[in-house]
Formats: sequence, structure tokens, C-alpha cells
Amino acid sequence: QSALTQPASVSGSPGQSITISCTGTSSDVGGDNYVSWFQQHPGKAPKLMIYDVNKRPSGVSTRFSGSKSGNRASLTISGLQPEDEAEYYCSSYTRTNTRVFGGGTNLTVL
Amino acid sequence: QVQLGQSGAEVRKPGSSVKVSCKASGGTFNSNAISWVRQAPGQGLEWMGGIIPLFGTANYAQKFQGRVTITADESISTAYMEVSSLRSEDTAVYYCSRHSGLYYYYGMDVWGQGTTVIVSS
Repeated sequence: QSALTQPASVSGSPGQSITISCTGTSSDVGGDNYVSWFQQHPGKAPKLMIYDVNKRPSGVSTRFSGSKSGNRASLTISGLQPEDEAEYYCSSYTRTNTRVFGGGTNLTVL
Repeated sequence: QVQLGQSGAEVRKPGSSVKVSCKASGGTFNSNAISWVRQAPGQGLEWMGGIIPLFGTANYAQKFQGRVTITADESISTAYMEVSSLRSEDTAVYYCSRHSGLYYYYGMDVWGQGTTVIVSS
């Protein structure tokens, strides 16, 4: 199972919106609506931000939203804030009953 | 609120094995799948495998088949992940994570604090 493809880095200014893409195949991202997104700050455990493509866990800001089209999922963060600066990972359930992660995207808030 | 507490840091020699534990407290254990994820220094997250404690069945990423064993002891709400034939490339932080439901397609909503494993001669 190959890792999902994410851009290595994205950046934006406070108040702006950014989108991070996550590209897989019909065996993972495109197969079902089980894509998750995680935020990870240095030295910390990952935090679930989006699950099932576009659902937010309780307590996660509404500035975070997810979508999917075909084999490509996206995470959008609107109204960027300095604390959003972190590494972001997508993850998908696969048809072999496993999970796979993307390579991660480093978000810089300028 | 469920919390996952992992065992402490380990240092091992190449060729040996290591077993990391993950204890759930404050909630149910056997109605949720548990996954193990590792992160090598400066690298991304990598799903290793998981277990559904209710059934006692484990699934592994192809890369780790045969070298990783995941088990669970429902009586003490603890999952274990053992890596054998350790090599330097296994140096990483190992996380356990709970899925919000019985299967791996549920979101991974609770994470342990991570266990650092260093493989060095």
C-alpha cells in the first residue's frame, strides 16, 4: 500500500484560507468516505481534525473543513491563525481493511 | 473520557525485539479498534497495524507482516505491539490510537502519548 500524496508544504497569511490536497487511488481515498485529517505540532501526538471526509469531532474549530472528489481529498483551513501552524496528515481506510497515511504537509502561517 | 497510556522509552540492540503497551482508562476497550502508528525522526506517520479486541483479530500493513505482532488483553484494557528483528530504521516514536468504533474505518480520535524506541548497538 503506497502512501497517499500530499504537498510537502503550504503557507498562508493570518486570516487567509489554504487548502491541502491528498491524492490516493480507487482502493483507498476513492473507495469509500473514510478519509481523516490530523494536525500534529512538534513533539506532540496527532490530533483528529476531520473524519469521514467532512465531519468535525467535538471541539474542533469550524474553520476546518474537508471534502473529496474522486481519488482526491482536501482539507481547507479558513481564517488562518498562528496556532494553525503545524504538520497535517491525511489518512484513508483501504479496501484491504487497513489504513494508510499521506506523507504530511507542513503549514506555515506567515 | 478515554485516555491511552503507553509504556516508557526503550533502547534495544539490533536483532532484538521490543514490546510496547497501551492501556485504556476512563472508558470502554473491547468495542473499539486500536491502531499502532509509528513516526521515525523527522518523518511522517506510518500505519503499522491494528487489533479489534472484541474479536482478538489483528491486521497488519504489508510492510510489517511477519515482524510485528499486535495483541490485546481485554481483562486489563491493554493492547500490545511487539517488533522483532529490530534494525536501526525502527528507531521511532510509536503511538497507539483508538478508533471511535469497532472497525478501522472509524476515525482515530484518541491517541497515546507515544513511546520512543531507539535501536542502537
